[in-house]
Amino acid sequence: QSALTQPASVSGSPGQSITISCTGTTSDVGSYNYVSWYQQHPGKAPKLIIYDVTSRPSGVSNRFSGSKSGNTASLTISGLQADDEAHYYCNSYTSSNTVVFGGGTKLTVL
Amino acid sequence: QVQLVQSGAEVKKPGASVKVSCKTSGYTFVTYDITWVRQAPGQGLEWMGSISPHTGDTQYTQDLQGRVTMTTDTSRGTAYMELRSLRSDDTAIYYCARAWRPERFDSWGQGTLVTVSS
Repeated sequence: QSALTQPASVSGSPGQSITISCTGTTSDVGSYNYVSWYQQHPGKAPKLIIYDVTSRPSGVSNRFSGSKSGNTASLTISGLQADDEAHYYCNSYTSSNTVVFGGGTKLTVL
Repeated sequence: QVQLVQSGAEVKKPGASVKVSCKTSGYTFVTYDITWVRQAPGQGLEWMGSISPHTGDTQYTQDLQGRVTMTTDTSRGTAYMELRSLRSDDTAIYYCARAWRPERFDSWGQGTLVTVSS
């Protein structure tokens, strides 16, 4: 199972919006609405920020939103803040009854 | 509150085995799967597999088939991950996480650093 494809890095200024893409195949992202997104700050465990493509766990800011079109899922962060600077990972359920992660995207807040 | 507390760092020689524990609290252990994810230094997240504490059913990534075993002790609310025939590229932080669904990992342990070095 190949990793989902994410851009290695994205950047934006405070207050701006950015979008991170996560591209899979018809065997994973394209066939299931089981895509989650995680935020990971350096030296910390990942934190769930989006699940089931568009849902936010309790306590996660509504500045984070998710969507999907075909084989590509996307995470949008609006009103960028300094604390949003982190690595972001997507994952998806697959037709092999396994889970695959994306390679990760480093977000830099300029 | 939900907590997952993992065992401490390990240093192993190539060819050895390691067993990492993950003690849970704050929820009914058998209600959710436990998944294991690892992260090599400076690299991304890699899903290793998951186990249902209720049924004992496991699902492993094909890359680790034959070398990894996941188990649980429901009386202790604890999950275990054993990795055998360790190689240098198994050096990583190993995380356990509670899984609502196959891919929704909502609570994570603090991570266990496993270093494989001769």
